[in-house]
Amino acid sequence: EAQVTQNPRYLITVTGKKLTVTCSQNMNHEYMSWYRQDPGLGLRQIYYSMNVEVTDKGDVPEGYKVSRKEKRNFPLILESPSPNQTSLYFCASSLSPQVNTEAFFGQGTRLTVV
Amino acid sequence: GDSVTQMEGPVTLSEEAFLTINCTYTATGYPSLFWYVQYPGEGLQLLLKATKADDKGSNKGFEATYRKETTSFHLEKGSVQVSDSAVYFCALSDEDSGYSTLTFGKGTMLLVSP
Repeated sequence: EAQVTQNPRYLITVTGKKLTVTCSQNMNHEYMSWYRQDPGLGLRQIYYSMNVEVTDKGDVPEGYKVSRKEKRNFPLILESPSPNQTSLYFCASSLSPQVNTEAFFGQGTRLTVV
Repeated sequence: GDSVTQMEGPVTLSEEAFLTINCTYTATGYPSLFWYVQYPGEGLQLLLKATKADDKGSNKGFEATYRKETTSFHLEKGSVQVSDSAVYFCALSDEDSGYSTLTFGKGTMLLVSP
């Protein structure tokens, strides 16, 4: 089954404790991205990756890092989480970055930073 | 920059009522337009799309027409069901520096009662 898998689904952590949210897709997609979803703000892009070893900042990259060492994986790293990073996070992938390409989303990771 | 504006929710309807969720956009290029749906506890999934002016996207009884003259992509369904209760996101994809980015509206929650 074609899918984007994120882990964990739920995470509660403390300020400053490094964490990684994993994302994996099994569709051989080139393009992957991370979004955060906040009430009243919709989805905002954090980082994206055009292909292996090619990443770039989205609209809200501060406080986040990513890596793309393999085509299927695109982890999101919070080196020193803060309470304002409490949010619902989605990973997405698409076959290519062309304008009419469908994006496939993971089920989301709900992060709480206390 | 690009932007998407959707009507605020929640939209509350009785089963079999007619649904319209308004969406207008601002884009610098020639965007593709999408409606994504998010069911409770799940990630976003593509509902329908349109890639050029006057195209009509349709799926599961939902329709939306790409209106370039009014920069709109309103979502409609003739008879909603309880199972349509979800959050609906209008989005556009526009080329920028050779790649596409997805810009989302803030989402509209639809609640359908029996």
